[in-house]
Amino acid sequence: KAGVTQTPRYLIKTRGQQVTLSCSPISGHRSVSWYQQTPGQGLQFLFEYFSETQRNKGNFPGRFSGRQFSNSRSEMNVSTLELGDSALYLCASSLGDRDYNEQFFGPGTRLTVL
Amino acid sequence: GENVEQHPSTLSVQEGDSAVIKCTYSDSASNYFPWYKQELGKGPQLIIDIRSNVGEKKDQRIAVTLNKTAKHFSLHITETQPEDSAVYFCAASLTGTASKLTFGTGTRLQVTL
Repeated sequence: KAGVTQTPRYLIKTRGQQVTLSCSPISGHRSVSWYQQTPGQGLQFLFEYFSETQRNKGNFPGRFSGRQFSNSRSEMNVSTLELGDSALYLCASSLGDRDYNEQFFGPGTRLTVL
Repeated sequence: GENVEQHPSTLSVQEGDSAVIKCTYSDSASNYFPWYKQELGKGPQLIIDIRSNVGEKKDQRIAVTLNKTAKHFSLHITETQPEDSAVYFCAASLTGTASKLTFGTGTRLQVTL
């Protein structure tokens, strides 16, 4: 079974630009969660989508948004990029229909903001 | 919200020794506690998890213990091997929100020969 895939793996943007990251979950998984990983803040939850609806949300500004398509693939968008948005962005998929679903992470997208 | 503390931040052990990583959580409503291993250039990989209705779980050389009263849980790795070297993260989630994990700050484990 193929794992979680994320594209692109690396991105370099400049301040003020916007960026879209993509995540394809494991086949059959309906939940996709996004996390930001930085050396200073560690792994922080951004949001979760389940069946095309945002089900949980972390404490990030509105510049961070996402969506999920009918095939469960998800995209994350960051607008008006700031230097502090430089991070590894990870997505994780799970079945999403029970309290204890295991989450499987992708390799991440490394975003650098100059 | 939930807060998870993890210690130590770095841990060096000799091959064959045991390693223990400890985490505490703040919200008594948390009921799911996974542990992840992250190798360089890769995403976190789930290695073991435990639910709040269980006190201990083992999987070969890895075990996790949970003390709900004290709100802490620990990862135990026995007979460590060089390939165990990685960063380990504990996490917790509240009832009904298993997909919203709060992570600890990570422990860099180095297994030396």
